[in-house]
Amino acid sequence: GQQVMQIPQYQHVQEGEDFTTYCNSSTTLSNIQWYKQRPGGHPVFLIQLVKSGEVKKQKRLTFQFGEAKKNSSLHITATQTTDVGTYFCAGYNYGQNFVFGPGTRLSVLP
Amino acid sequence: EAQVTQNPRYLITVTGKKLTVTCSQNMNHEYMSWYRQDPGLGLRQIYYSMNVEVTDKGDVPEGYKVSRKEKRNFPLILESPSPNQTSLYFCASTIDRNNSPLHFGNGTRLTVT
Repeated sequence: GQQVMQIPQYQHVQEGEDFTTYCNSSTTLSNIQWYKQRPGGHPVFLIQLVKSGEVKKQKRLTFQFGEAKKNSSLHITATQTTDVGTYFCAGYNYGQNFVFGPGTRLSVLP
Repeated sequence: EAQVTQNPRYLITVTGKKLTVTCSQNMNHEYMSWYRQDPGLGLRQIYYSMNVEVTDKGDVPEGYKVSRKEKRNFPLILESPSPNQTSLYFCASTIDRNNSPLHFGNGTRLTVT
């Protein structure tokens, strides 16, 4: 079945440094979603990408969907302590269910 | 306020003692789903429901049951819990599983001793 992988599993950065997490699917996706889970919290939807090569920005966050629609990335510019949490990608194929990646846990040192 | 409500938040039980985790949403969503979250494994789908009286197995359904008698409620039932079901559980719902965001409940941390 479909598998979604994410790297790295953990990332520790100094506040102000950039951060990137990568998501790779074993199959071509219809769309991909990104979620953020704060420590002790629940996943919260960030964004959805649908088109091949799509790039979307939310303030300091930049999301990309690969040309082949099998990979995606989330880049955070100049991290802040409020960025701490685990970032999940979830890949979707039409008629099936979203499959979540294992997540990347981000720590930001002040 | 639009939300998904799970209860209880924390539950400690013993092996074999039946339990139910409730989930309710007030957004009139047709699609509801249960996930378990374990370190390093992310969110794995247990069961999902496309609508009332329609339920299907997810990736890790063994040891769990669900029901969908009403649109708003989707309880998760563990008939005979075992220690390997110790986990963090999330209920989620969405209006359209094809391209709409999932709304998650606050989670239920279950410990089975």
